[in-house]
Amino acid sequence: DAGITQSPRHKVTETGTPVTLRCHQTENHRYMYWYRQDPGHGLRLIHYSYGVKDTDKGEVSDGYSVSRSKTEDFLLTLESATSSQTSVYFCAISASGGNSPLHFGNGTRLTVT
Amino acid sequence: GESVGLHLPTLSVQEGDNSIINCAYSNSASDYFIWYKQESGKGPQFIIDIRSNMDKRQGQRVTVLLNKTVKHLSLQIAATQPGDSAVYFCAERNSGGGADGLTFGKGTHLIIQP
Repeated sequence: DAGITQSPRHKVTETGTPVTLRCHQTENHRYMYWYRQDPGHGLRLIHYSYGVKDTDKGEVSDGYSVSRSKTEDFLLTLESATSSQTSVYFCAISASGGNSPLHFGNGTRLTVT
Repeated sequence: GESVGLHLPTLSVQEGDNSIINCAYSNSASDYFIWYKQESGKGPQFIIDIRSNMDKRQGQRVTVLLNKTVKHLSLQIAATQPGDSAVYFCAERNSGGGADGLTFGKGTHLIIQP
């Protein structure tokens, strides 16, 4: 495994509540990513980070925010969860961005009721 | 829309046979390709990658072939084992893309029959 820990592994929350997912890495990689995986879709990028306090939006960023205050931690926040955000969320890390493979954590299954 | 896709959503092979999983891509500017394996309940696991200046790359029991003429990528798994059962998907990087430039296919479910 690539030294990536996602927490929690499972969460059930109600519509309208805030939710924060955490990704912790021990590889000291510069790049970190949040993806969501849904049936019928490939992995879709939500946000990514290219360094401490440096983040950018991905393909499906609406309704999500991120923060990276330390190299090892990348947080994904749903300010007000909606049912459409029910998904499996994966964190990934990369040593050199798009020129090297991404290594993924084992995911967080989020259910919004 | 999806620029990376797979020809078959499910592939069933006999244990011990070779498996070939295919991937078509539409962006001729893509210059880097990756294959992932995903087991149930786990995150995608890197298998092998290939850059566009190559047409073949081999790993342990796996070979990736890249045909840029027809924009086709394949993953060959030799002597398939029960542990190879998983969803396999490819990813491509647009050469004009940055750190966010990977596009993922939807996956093929490989089923190993005893």
